[in-house]
Amino acid sequence: AQKITQTQPGMFVQEKEAVTLDCTYDTSDPSYGLFWYKQPSSGEMIFLIYQGSYDQQNATEGRYSLNFQKARKSANLVISASQLGDSAMYFCAMREGYNNNDMRFGAGTRLTVKP
Amino acid sequence: DVKVTQSSRYLVKRTGEKVFLECVQDMDHENMFWYRQDPGLGLRLIYFSYDVKMKEKGDIPEGYSVSREKKERFSLILESASTNQTSMYLCASSSRQGRGYTFGSGTRLTVV
Repeated sequence: AQKITQTQPGMFVQEKEAVTLDCTYDTSDPSYGLFWYKQPSSGEMIFLIYQGSYDQQNATEGRYSLNFQKARKSANLVISASQLGDSAMYFCAMREGYNNNDMRFGAGTRLTVKP
Repeated sequence: DVKVTQSSRYLVKRTGEKVFLECVQDMDHENMFWYRQDPGLGLRLIYFSYDVKMKEKGDIPEGYSVSREKKERFSLILESASTNQTSMYLCASSSRQGRGYTFGSGTRLTVV
């Protein structure tokens, strides 16, 4: 069963505006980690942000923030002040359990930033 | 600069061939992973390894095997390549304590 769901195959945003990329997850394990990765057209996978299930505050990294709603099992990525270089595929991922390191990914969202 | 290196960026093989995809990391990471990436499906885990000579099946291991004889190297093997194995293959590694992965740049495999 799909554990990570990204319902937006593609998104458009105007340059300098904020955009939210949706991610929902499914797990019964109380300990898990949530990740967002960016994949530009070059193909490299770039780690953006991490949220642990026990973290009290939403994670932030520069222009990236993670809107973590535990009860809803959602972990949406918010990109503020979009730039043309933000155009890329974005993947949400989850790692379950305290000692596990294998990660499952969503299908991805292709973000296009318009000038 | 720490790296995960995949031996080939592009590869074209014939149906039925035995194919080796190599991945080497220089970070002394314990954990290594192989994913395939297909449009609309995201990244799907094929196999992973938490230590030398150890391997675990991921979600789609059928048609693949792996080898980890040394800590730094994790090989993905397609015993008899088929056209439905045409895909982008991504290798990643992580430390036991680490949270995220370091990815290689990927190998785009075409089976004809």
